[in-house]
Amino acid sequence: AQSVAQPEDQVNVAEGNPLTVKCTYSVSGNPYLFWYVQYPNRGLQFLLKYITGDNLVKGSYGFEAEFNKSQTSFHLKKPSALVSDSALYFCAVRDPDTGRRALTFGSGTRLQVQP
Amino acid sequence: GAGVSQSPSNKVTEKGKDVELRCDPISGHTALYWYRQSLGQGLEFLIYFQGNSAPDKSGLPSDRFSAERTGGSVSTLTIQRTQQEDSAVYLCASRPGSEETQYFGPGTRLLVL
Repeated sequence: AQSVAQPEDQVNVAEGNPLTVKCTYSVSGNPYLFWYVQYPNRGLQFLLKYITGDNLVKGSYGFEAEFNKSQTSFHLKKPSALVSDSALYFCAVRDPDTGRRALTFGSGTRLQVQP
Repeated sequence: GAGVSQSPSNKVTEKGKDVELRCDPISGHTALYWYRQSLGQGLEFLIYFQGNSAPDKSGLPSDRFSAERTGGSVSTLTIQRTQQEDSAVYLCASRPGSEETQYFGPGTRLLVL
């Protein structure tokens, strides 16, 4: 079965500094990978996805993620953090069942950006 | 455009009561999912609908949980004889048939007393 690991419960970064939120995955076949963000009392908002192509994927709000097949990683990055980026971030991998395509999520990483 | 909507946004119920949660997907999205977000279990898949096909119920945690989707659009998740461990946020997502990205609603926060 597929799985996702987010090894950090919380990441703290100062505003203006670069940020990285880590994600590793395990899935049979080609990985379809996603990042979502959740603000308090809100649903999940889609940030970006990797399906195929360039290993560096650009998404919403200046976020990007780097797919590394050999390390089975899909880390989320941003060159300069904003206080408004503080939220809960989820990495997800798609079910290899091409019919259902359900997502398996990591446990989430809370990003705290300090002014 | 309009996103996925869910109602109610919050629901408090007593143990043993039945509850119904509603999801309105994005218009034209043929795929619809229910997930549950709880402190102990994280985010977990519950059920999947694709058009008018029979749903994939493989994620439902017990037979107290059921869901239907009428006319390929609105979906209702029903929990019978609620238990305290059912307390969670129930998230609905929809997806166009030909795309991979799922779009989530704001969720229904369920508290079972």
